[in-house]
Order: sequence, then structure tokens, then C-alpha cells
Amino acid sequence: ETGVTQTPRHLVMGMTNKKSLKCEQHLGHNAMYWYKQSAKKPLELMFVYNFKEQTENNSVPSRFSPECPNSSHLFLHLHTLQPEDSALYLCASGVWGNEQFFGPGTRLTVL
Amino acid sequence: AQSVTQPDIHITVSEGASLELRCNYSYGATPYLFWYVQSPGQGLQLLLKYFSGDTLVQGIKGFEAEFKRSQSSFNLRKPSVHWSDAAEYFCAVGASNDMRFGAGTRLTVKP
Repeated sequence: ETGVTQTPRHLVMGMTNKKSLKCEQHLGHNAMYWYKQSAKKPLELMFVYNFKEQTENNSVPSRFSPECPNSSHLFLHLHTLQPEDSALYLCASGVWGNEQFFGPGTRLTVL
Repeated sequence: AQSVTQPDIHITVSEGASLELRCNYSYGATPYLFWYVQSPGQGLQLLLKYFSGDTLVQGIKGFEAEFKRSQSSFNLRKPSVHWSDAAEYFCAVGASNDMRFGAGTRLTVKP
């Protein structure tokens, strides 16, 4: 158990739906991350938050909208997704400048 | 630009045999280097890390890795593989908002 939790673990949604992924950590970390993991591709860093401030947005489409209300919680709001957005979405946390600790991921399927 | 290459997509070893997973990196400065393991349906778990100092680092589950600056490599090794080591292994370089992951090496363990 890494101390990073993600809900839901599995999500199936239609292209017109709006849903949110949640990530929570109680490790005292000040940085939180969203990654996308697709089959046969390296992990893609999507968003980075340091002390609740977004420091990185790696050209992610606007249909993905992150929110970091405090250092312990991170959300990924989803709307009008495409089938190619189906993937495992991983949240991670860490102390800025050090290793990252990952949650178990949310398996997202877009129909 | 920094990058990570894991030359072997899939490796099969017999239980009890030794293991070496290769990782080559490109990085402009002294790198932070990591090895993570991912079991099916799970997030990534940190095996070990190198920041500075002794170039041979020990990790969890009996794994070790050696940093070789001249070869830009950070290969992962284990002297005797157990069936439970079957998983996907990721090498990563960098830290904070600049972490890059390799595409991963899938390890299969034969009885």
C-alpha cells in the first residue's frame, strides 16, 4: 500500500458523459501528478501540481480538466471524451524533487 | 531532451535464474534515476532510486541497479528470480515536473 488512493478503480462512460476521477494522499507530499498509461506506449505525464499550483500541462486536450483543491486531493474532470482516451489513469504524489508514489489507477473505458 | 530507452520489450527467465533489465538514458545533467515495477491492474511501485553517491544501489525485493555514467546506463539486476517477480518494469529519469519513463520491459518467469 503506497498511501495514494484513487477512485473509482474502473469507469465506463459514453462520449457525452461528464465524470471525475479522484486521487487522495495522506503522505504529507506537496506535489501531485496525473499520468495516462495506454497499451504499448510509455507513461505520459499530463499535469503536475506543486503546493496546489499547476506547474505543468503537457499539451493535454481541454476535455481533461484537473483540479487540486489542497495538497492531499487531486481531481481529473472528464467531459466529451473520445474512445482513444480509454486508458489507465494514474495519480502520483511526491516531495518536489524526489521520487513519486503511485496510486493503483483508474481503468477508463470510453464507449 | 531527456529520454529513456528500455531495449527489451519482453524477457523470459526461469525461476531461480539471474536477471538483468537494461535501461539507457539521455539527460543533460546528473540524472535522478528510478526503477518501478507494475503488477497487472496495479499502479507503479518504486524498487530503487539513484540520486548521487555509491553507483550500486540496493532496492526492495532483492533488486539492485548500477549507475554507469560512461555508458549512460542504469541496469536492474536480481541474482535469483522468483515467480512473483513476473510484472512490468519501468526505468525513469528526472524528477518533479520533468520525469520521463521508458516503455517498460515485461518479465515472464518460467517454472
